[in-house]
Amino acid sequence: LAKTTQPISMDSYEGQEVNITCSHNNIATNDYITWYQQFPSQGPRFIIQGYKTKVKNEVASLFIPADRKSSTLSLPRVSLSDTAVYYCLVGPRYSSASKIIFGSGTRLSIRP
Amino acid sequence: DTGVSQDPRHKITKRGQNVTFRCDPISEHNRLYWYRQTLGQGPEFLTYFQNEAQLEKSRLLSDRFSAERPKGSFSTLEIQRTEQGDSAMYLCASSFNTDTQYFGPGTRLTVL
Repeated sequence: LAKTTQPISMDSYEGQEVNITCSHNNIATNDYITWYQQFPSQGPRFIIQGYKTKVKNEVASLFIPADRKSSTLSLPRVSLSDTAVYYCLVGPRYSSASKIIFGSGTRLSIRP
Repeated sequence: DTGVSQDPRHKITKRGQNVTFRCDPISEHNRLYWYRQTLGQGPEFLTYFQNEAQLEKSRLLSDRFSAERPKGSFSTLEIQRTEQGDSAMYLCASSFNTDTQYFGPGTRLTVL
């Protein structure tokens, strides 16, 4: 099972671009990379998923290098409401649930 | 709102009592998952249903825990003879044949 490593916490300011990097050295060929966001007292919310290169949606971008051993979640022009915990997950796209493991996440704090 | 719903949102109980939580998934989702989350940690997988069949159970799911999804729609999670260590947020998620899981708001259990 691919294990992920991400920073415990990060701080930034409103209007800045924030990049959170996740390491997954043992990623398997059929593994996808998924990021979730969680606010206090709420369930995690799906942000973005990718397999290789770059994926972009209305919320974030996901950059995945050719070796796929890491990935970077990029949040453009953050606001105070982006303060949350961000989880990087690695697992097969079609699989049993137990192969998807949440780590401790990255606690992102945005300051005015 | 057609997202995942959970009831109750909060439950306080005394040690030794039984509690039951309910999850209503997104209507077209055939997979339903239960997770447990303690303070400062990411969600931990407990069990998973595909339609009405319970296909996987984590070692975290002791014999005091039981989950059902009788008609392949809503699910219940029961904890018998609660212990203080059961205090946590219990999260439900659903998906349709992918690992993109959509989470509910959770039920916060406090065992006194």
